Amino acid sequence: EVHLVQSGAEVKKPGESLKISCKDSGYNFTSKWIAWVRQTPGKGLEWMGTIYLGDSDTRYSPSFQGQVTISADESVTTAFLHWNNLKASDSGMYYCARLVRSRLDPWGQGTLVTVSS
Amino acid sequence: EIVLTQSPATLSLSPGERATLSCRASQSVSSFLAWYQQKPGQAPRLLIYDASNRATGIPARFSGSGSGTDFTLTISSLEPEDFAVYYCQQRSNWPTITFGQGTRLEIK
Repeated sequence: EVHLVQSGAEVKKPGESLKISCKDSGYNFTSKWIAWVRQTPGKGLEWMGTIYLGDSDTRYSPSFQGQVTISADESVTTAFLHWNNLKASDSGMYYCARLVRSRLDPWGQGTLVTVSS
Repeated sequence: EIVLTQSPATLSLSPGERATLSCRASQSVSSFLAWYQQKPGQAPRLLIYDASNRATGIPARFSGSGSGTDFTLTISSLEPEDFAVYYCQQRSNWPTITFGQGTRLEIK
């Protein structure tokens, strides 16, 4: 069964940096595009950006451009989401999902990020 | 940016009833629309893609319809496990995507 496995929950302080990961065990089967999605209680699901594992071509949502960095390492079929200067407002659940044509499937299990002093 | 508006925000029904959820796009998305179900503590799960195709393993009571700007997710006869939050999602300019704000389907 192909699936995406994300790194574990993180607790960080404001100003710290963080990198979370998403390993795609079904790489090359259907699509090499991985999307990152944030979920917070007040805002539902928000698309952050999408990366192509093959050449790291990346597209960002305007809401997240400059706030995060999405990267990938094709050799380990893994996508990453990176913050340089965390804020309390970055707290939330972060999902990765494979983008196949017009749909997201499968999804990772989610990584909970808590930023608090 | 294409905006997806879901209605109603909350739908209260009983098991066995029919559920009809709506998703309206601010401009045409052709048939590039998907529906997801999310239960508490779980990741979203793909139900319907390309407006009307059921994903693998999704029961036949779930169906999707529509094209252009107006889409519907129908659950023909609600089972207890169907009470959850449902999101629509579109892909307009590859690979950018947007989500609707969700419809909460709750037990009446």
